Amino acid sequence: EVQLVESGGGLVQPGRSLKLSCLASGFTFSNYGMNWIRQAPGKGLEWVASISSSSSYIYYADTVKGRFTISRDNAKNTLYLQMTSLRSEDTALYYCARLGITKDYWGQGVMVTVSS
Amino acid sequence: DIQMTQSPSSLPASLGDRVTITCRASQDIGNYLRWFQQKPGKSPRLMIYGATNLAAGVPSRFSGSRSGSDYSLTISSLESEDMADYYCLQSKESPYTFGAGTKLELK
Repeated sequence: EVQLVESGGGLVQPGRSLKLSCLASGFTFSNYGMNWIRQAPGKGLEWVASISSSSSYIYYADTVKGRFTISRDNAKNTLYLQMTSLRSEDTALYYCARLGITKDYWGQGVMVTVSS
Repeated sequence: DIQMTQSPSSLPASLGDRVTITCRASQDIGNYLRWFQQKPGKSPRLMIYGATNLAAGVPSRFSGSRSGSDYSLTISSLESEDMADYYCLQSKESPYTFGAGTKLELK
C-alpha cells in the first residue's frame, strides 16, 4: 500500500525557516517524481514545487521561488521542502503528492503556521 | 504561466441534477488536465485524468470532456456523497496550476 507521511510542520515566526519531510513507502520511491502542494485555511489548492525521480528537474511556483527548496533522498525514501524567509501567506496545510499518469497519491498533509 | 479559470465558484444543486463544472486554459494544455474532489478534512481525490479518463474506483456518473481550451467535469445524476469541492489541475508544464475551485452544495 502506498503511503506518504508528512512531518515537520508547526508554528514559526515570520522570517524564520522550517523543513518539511515526507516519508514514502509501498512503492519504489526512486522511480517517481514528487510534488509539494499546499492549501491555505479555507482556500484552494496551490502547487508549490516538483522534483523528478533523480532530482535532475526541479520546478517552483513563483510565490516560493528563491525561498523554498525541494529535495529528496532516494536512499531514505524521503522528500523534503526547506522553507526560508517564511511569510504569513505561507500558512497552509502542505501535502506531499505523487501525481502519476493514471493514479495519484497524497499524504494527509502537515500544517505550517507563520505567525508572531 | 498557464492560467486555469474555473467556473462557477459555487454551484447549488439538487439530488438527481446533472451538473457541469468548467475550466478554461489560457494556453494549450492538450489533455494534461485532471479533476480532483476534496471533502472537508480530507486530501484531494483524483476523479478524472487526461481530461476524459475516469480514475479507478470513481463512479460512472462522473465524466470529463474537452472542447478546445474548455474542460468540463459533469456529474450525470447528483448524489449526496458528491457534495464537495472540485478542482482542475493542468500538468502540461510547470508551474502546474489549479483552478480556483467549485463548491458543490445542496440547494
